Amino acid sequence: GAVVSQHPSRVICKSGTSVKIECRSLDFQATTMFWYRQFPKQSLMLMATSNEGSKATYEQGVEKDKFLINHASLTLSTLTVTSAHPEDSSFYICSAIKDASSYGYTFGSGTRLTVV
Amino acid sequence: AQSVAQPEDQVNVAEGNPLTVKCTYSVSGNPYLFWYVQYPNRGLQFLLKYITGDNLVKGSYGFEAEFNKSQTSFHLKKPSALVSDSALYFCAFMEYGNKLVFGAGTILRVKS
Repeated sequence: GAVVSQHPSRVICKSGTSVKIECRSLDFQATTMFWYRQFPKQSLMLMATSNEGSKATYEQGVEKDKFLINHASLTLSTLTVTSAHPEDSSFYICSAIKDASSYGYTFGSGTRLTVV
Repeated sequence: AQSVAQPEDQVNVAEGNPLTVKCTYSVSGNPYLFWYVQYPNRGLQFLLKYITGDNLVKGSYGFEAEFNKSQTSFHLKKPSALVSDSALYFCAFMEYGNKLVFGAGTILRVKS
């Protein structure tokens, strides 16, 4: 099956620091990955589409300078939250498509970010 | 704007009873629809999808959903609920660029 590994599962950082979250497709190549943000008891909000070898496409209202996305290889996309503030605290989830023709999306297990 | 709606914030059902989690869609053309389940502090697990073909879609863990074009619905169903089915359920549709757009989610509570 398709497996997406997301790391770390939990992270606590101080305000003003940066945090990097990794999303890896373990047994398939993913030219496209997606990053979502989820607030408590709310739905997933798509932040950006990450494309291997090119710039990410951000959704309206998402600050691209704060949420840096890099998709340097076919198996790894990273999300860096820069100069984090308490309001950035959230649950971040990545997703990748193994097979675009079958619309098989696989999700990572998520990262709980707490900024103190 | 295109969307999916989950009209119920929470659904309560007794173990062994049938369950239904509702989803309606407002999507142009032929919608590609999905159901996912999320357990606390976890990512999403795929249950089933409707792309084309038979309107009754069977998925993982005994779940099924029926695509109803006239009612623009894609309700998730299971004949006999388990306590372990208690979780957060999301309906979603695929937008341009292969992006999944999710509904608000429905909490399912199954009581023994």
